[in-house]
Amino acid sequence: DVKVTQSSRYLVKRTGEKVFLECVQDMDHENMFWYRQDPGLGLRLIYFSYDVKMKEKGDIPEGYSVSREKKERFSLILESASTNQTSMYLCASLRGGRAYNEQFFGPGTRLTVL
Amino acid sequence: AQKVTQAQTEISVVEKEDVTLDCVYETRDTTYYLFWYKQPPSGELVFLIRRNSFDEQNEISGRYSWNFQKSTSSFNFTITASQVVDSAVYFCALSEAARGAQKLVFGQGTRLTINP
Repeated sequence: DVKVTQSSRYLVKRTGEKVFLECVQDMDHENMFWYRQDPGLGLRLIYFSYDVKMKEKGDIPEGYSVSREKKERFSLILESASTNQTSMYLCASLRGGRAYNEQFFGPGTRLTVL
Repeated sequence: AQKVTQAQTEISVVEKEDVTLDCVYETRDTTYYLFWYKQPPSGELVFLIRRNSFDEQNEISGRYSWNFQKSTSSFNFTITASQVVDSAVYFCALSEAARGAQKLVFGQGTRLTINP
């Protein structure tokens, strides 16, 4: 059973804290993605990675960074959390990077920044 | 720029009714792919269907059907005889083949509630 897992379902942090969101996939997929989901805005791409140590900015990278040291793991880092980063964060993986392949999603991490 | 619009924010129907979720897209590419994903209360998006821009055949899978019309840039999703388990948020998404690594553009999502 293919799987994308995320380290936490719910997370509460304080403004200014450094926050790490972890994502692991067991499908040997080359591509991994981080999205944030906000009501009325759908999913917006923060960063993606098409190979180990490779990363590209998505549509809303400001305030975030990522790390991909191993193929199966893709981390999202909030360098200094702010209240406007309160959101649902979804990780996804994709085989081969082809435009027609479907992405596989994790269950999401609901982050609250106080 | 590519864009996906799901104008229906929320839909609520009674079980066994038919319901159609609308999706309108914009793209300059001639080759692209459209997707529908379902997000149940558990959170993870689940892939439902993919359609490429050269295939305008409608598709039916059990109670689900999809109507792709390039002339109106629409890719609508119909659930026939809805059930409570169909309650979820549904997303339409677009991927352009020319962009190399896949980057999906999602619509705003439609929250569907099926009442018993």
